[in-house]
Amino acid sequence: AQSVTQLGSHVSVSEGALVLLRCNYSSSVPPYLFWYVQYPNQGLQLLLKYTTGATLVKGINGFEAEFKKSETSFHLTKPSAHMSDAAEYFCAVTLGGYQKVTFGTGTKLQVIP
Amino acid sequence: EPEVTQTPSHQVTQMGQEVILRCVPISNHLYFYWYRQILGQKVEFLVSFYNNEISEKSEIFDDQFSVERPDGSNFTLKIRSTKLEDSAMYFCASRPFIAGEIYNEQFFGPGTRLTVL
Repeated sequence: AQSVTQLGSHVSVSEGALVLLRCNYSSSVPPYLFWYVQYPNQGLQLLLKYTTGATLVKGINGFEAEFKKSETSFHLTKPSAHMSDAAEYFCAVTLGGYQKVTFGTGTKLQVIP
Repeated sequence: EPEVTQTPSHQVTQMGQEVILRCVPISNHLYFYWYRQILGQKVEFLVSFYNNEISEKSEIFDDQFSVERPDGSNFTLKIRSTKLEDSAMYFCASRPFIAGEIYNEQFFGPGTRLTVL
């Protein structure tokens, strides 16, 4: 079984400030981890994913995340927030193969001008 | 770039009516999924489908729900008698089979917003 916990349902940052969205996972086997972004009234867009190999993964729009097995974490960061980053972000996990994806409850990011 | 498509984008129906949500997965994909997202909540798994049968289903996926791949391209989700609580965004996803690869990404469609009145 797998689960994902996202700390903070709402996060506000100033434009140009660091973005940090937290995600912790629970998995019985090595997981595959993802971050998705959802803009209002739109679908899910994959930001980045960790499958195997390098633990620091880079995604689209300047986002990156680091897989830390010892902390069971996969936090999403971006050095400098842009107004267009305002959206809801979902952390997700799958056990691989053709298993379902389990999503966290989401974090709404607000960027203040 | 190939993408998963879903129709309609928005469906409004009366409680008790049957609805069919349609998805066209990416053409060489073999695994198909439905998820739903109730407004303001997280995305939840409903069902996975492979080789013309259900691989896994969640407790949400009760007898009111069914899935079908009626032809070589469409993948449908039917809700027999809709309830108010079925109002949600429904996402279809598909995944390829690549021999020797442990993990293949799921590709999500844009969703169908179902409103039950």
